[in-house]
Amino acid sequence: DAGVIQSPRHEVTEMGQEVTLRCKPISGHNSLFWYRQTMMRGLELLIYFNNNVPIDDSGMPEDRFSAKMPNASFSTLKIQPSEPRDSAVYFCASSSAGGRETQYFGPGTRLLVL
Amino acid sequence: KNEVEQSPQNLTAQEGEFITINCSYSVGISALHWLQQHPGGGIVSLFMLSSGKKKHGRLIATINIQEKHSSLHITASHPRDSAVYICAVGRIDSSYKLIFGSGTRLLVRP
Repeated sequence: DAGVIQSPRHEVTEMGQEVTLRCKPISGHNSLFWYRQTMMRGLELLIYFNNNVPIDDSGMPEDRFSAKMPNASFSTLKIQPSEPRDSAVYFCASSSAGGRETQYFGPGTRLLVL
Repeated sequence: KNEVEQSPQNLTAQEGEFITINCSYSVGISALHWLQQHPGGGIVSLFMLSSGKKKHGRLIATINIQEKHSSLHITASHPRDSAVYICAVGRIDSSYKLIFGSGTRLLVRP
């Protein structure tokens, strides 16, 4: 299995631009997580999907952030408009049973908003 | 006070030494996770445990539910073990929502 796939691996954009991060979970996993990692706040859960349905989006910072999971093999995290404080590493992870099983992390997308 | 506390924050060891990283938590949990983050940034799940002890190669993880404490041990440490080790707990009322410790940065010198 290829593991969790994320793209792009690096993204540099200017403030105000739209940013779309993509994730392909491990085949057969029904839980998908988007995390953000910064030096100041560490790892934070942004949103959790179960069976393609958003279960908990309480970690999404504000309306500029949105996430979708149109099918079991694809999810996007969109930031519009982006701001410099959104600069971080964004990880996608998947598991076969929410928090009751091991979460497998993707390689992350390193986002820099200038 | 953070719900998950790790110690030490930084640790430097000589190759071959036995290493212990500690994690204490203050909430009811469904499981505790140990993660490893390499200098390149990738995160790997090492263990998920809810009781007792687990072993994988030179790594051993233990948990004491009554004391709300877990330890990660590395035997015969090697420079390739240099990484940040992160403890995370899944709350008993929302197991998917991991609460992360701030991490322990380990450097193993040859």
